[in-house]
Order: sequence, then C-alpha cells, then structure tokens
Amino acid sequence: GIQVEQSPPDLILQEGANSTLRCNFSDSVNNLQWFHQNPWGQLINLFYIPSGTKQNGRLSATTVATERYSLLYISSSQTTDSGVYFCSGTYKYIFGTGTRLKVLA
Amino acid sequence: GAVVSQHPSWVICKSGTSVKIECRSLDFQATTMFWYRQFPKQSLMLMATSNEGSKATYEQGVEKDKFLINHASLTLSTLTVTSAHPEDSSFYICSALLDRDGSYEQYFGPGTRLTVT
Repeated sequence: GIQVEQSPPDLILQEGANSTLRCNFSDSVNNLQWFHQNPWGQLINLFYIPSGTKQNGRLSATTVATERYSLLYISSSQTTDSGVYFCSGTYKYIFGTGTRLKVLA
Repeated sequence: GAVVSQHPSWVICKSGTSVKIECRSLDFQATTMFWYRQFPKQSLMLMATSNEGSKATYEQGVEKDKFLINHASLTLSTLTVTSAHPEDSSFYICSALLDRDGSYEQYFGPGTRLTVT
C-alpha cells in the first residue's frame, strides 16, 4: 500500500531553535497538506502545498512533487509549537507517521 | 471560513449499544468527507471515504456493517458504531474536503472520544 513516512519521529528543541521536518511519499503527491495536532486533538491546517514553496510567519514549506517529498521548516520555535505534525498528500488522503515536537522554554 | 464541527465531542456508552457521531461542514458544501480513527500516540488511520448521495468506500480491514456511514447531504456525514465493544474505544475524527477551483483541501472536525465500557 501507499506509504507516507515522516522524519524525525520525535524532536526536542530549545525555544528559539530552528527545525526541518520531512515527509516522503511512496506514490504520486496530490493535494499535499501539513497539519499541526494540538494537545486536545484538533488538527490545524498549516499549508496546502502540492508543489513549490510557501511561507506563513515563522513556518514555511516546500514540496518537490517529482521527488515525492515535502519539507516543513519551523524557525525561532516557541513552546506553543509543541504537538504533533502530520503530512497528507496522496490521492488516498492517507496520513504520515507524524513528528512529535516538544519545545522547551 | 472552512469550519467543520463534530458532535458529540466525547461519549461513554455501554458495550452492545450503538453510537452515532455527526460531522458537519458549517460554511461550505462538501461532496466528500472522510472518517479517521486515532489511537493514543499514533497517526490517523483512514476508515472510510464518504460521498454525498452514494455508498461510502471503506478501507481494507474496516467492517462496513460495524461502522455505518451516511452522507445524506452536502454538509452532513454520520458515523454509527453499531454494537460497540471496548475495543472500539478510540478518538474518531472527520474531515470535509473543500474544493477551491480544483484544489482539494481537508478541514477537520475537533474529534469525538468514544469510550465503551
């Protein structure tokens, strides 16, 4: 079946640090999205990025569809960035394995 | 814009009873909605794709007679867990697909925590 692998699985950062999260797809990339799941379970839309690069404040994302991967950059991390980050982006709307981020004050 | 609600947010039921969960797109119409299940510290597992006016498409391993899905209108999909058992306890999340001129974005409800005793 289709595989969506995310790395790293876990990440601990000091407040103010930068990080890069990666999402690899085993199938063609379609309608790629990045989400942040907060501690209450709500999934928050971060980016819709089937290709190219987008930026929103301290967050930016790049998708290289021809190579079947996407990157999420978090700069100057804050404690409120903690949570789990997921990508989803194949025709099956399957989710990646997730990256659990903890930002320490 | 693009708000999805889910009701109830949490429910406790006894083994053998049925539970219905509603998913509504509040400010847009959604031909397609999805139902996911999430266990603690795990990713979202796609259960089924719900299409308005037609039968849902279930993922392999998901019992369609156990998890009944009805997408009766362009703003409402329901998931009924029939004859629930403790192993059905989980976090159920729905999403609605927003068509922005050929770009399809998912928007999620807040989820429903089901506990079967």
